[in-house]
Amino acid sequence: EAGVTQFPSHSVIEKGQTVTLRCDPISGHDNLYWYRRVMGKEIKFLLHFVKESKQDESGMPNNRFLAERTGGTYSTLKVQPAELEDSGVYFCASSQDLGGPDTQYFGPGTRLTVL
Amino acid sequence: AQSVTQLDSQVPVFEEAPVELRCNYSSSVSVYLFWYVQYPNQGLQLLLKYLSGSTLVESINGFEAEFNKSQTSFHLRKPSVHISDTAEYFCAVSVRGNTPLVFGKGTRLSVIA
Repeated sequence: EAGVTQFPSHSVIEKGQTVTLRCDPISGHDNLYWYRRVMGKEIKFLLHFVKESKQDESGMPNNRFLAERTGGTYSTLKVQPAELEDSGVYFCASSQDLGGPDTQYFGPGTRLTVL
Repeated sequence: AQSVTQLDSQVPVFEEAPVELRCNYSSSVSVYLFWYVQYPNQGLQLLLKYLSGSTLVESINGFEAEFNKSQTSFHLRKPSVHISDTAEYFCAVSVRGNTPLVFGKGTRLSVIA
């Protein structure tokens, strides 16, 4: 069974440009999470989808970030316009909804560098 | 709100020596506890987890962690490390199922030959 995949693995853009990150969760996983790790700091939650609905977007830093999960399958995270402080590694994770504690499976991450 | 503290940002240790990576958490409610590992150039992998029951949990590669409620700790231990254990280790908590994880800052374990 394929794991969580993310594309691209690396992205280098200039300040003011737009970047779109993609996450494909494990098939059948209704929960999809986005996290971000800025250099030297902890991994922080951005938002949580249950199927195609945003369950919790309390971690989104500002309105330059837009996440979508059309059809409840893959998800995209768009940053527009990108700023220097957006640089970091963006992780996606997915989990099944089993009615109890879930185990989140992480993708390899997308390393975003904003120059 | 929950928080996780990993006091050691870097831990160097000689091969075949024991190691303990410390994790303390803060929460006003019961939590689930996790250790994730990130090997060089790879993504995060679940190492072990505590959900309920026995407070001592083990991984398939020789790591173990013990949930200590009174000390709000979930330290990770291995009696004898290998070069291949060189990685960054993250402690995380969640308060119930299907909710975001709260991570510590990570501990970089370097195993020296």
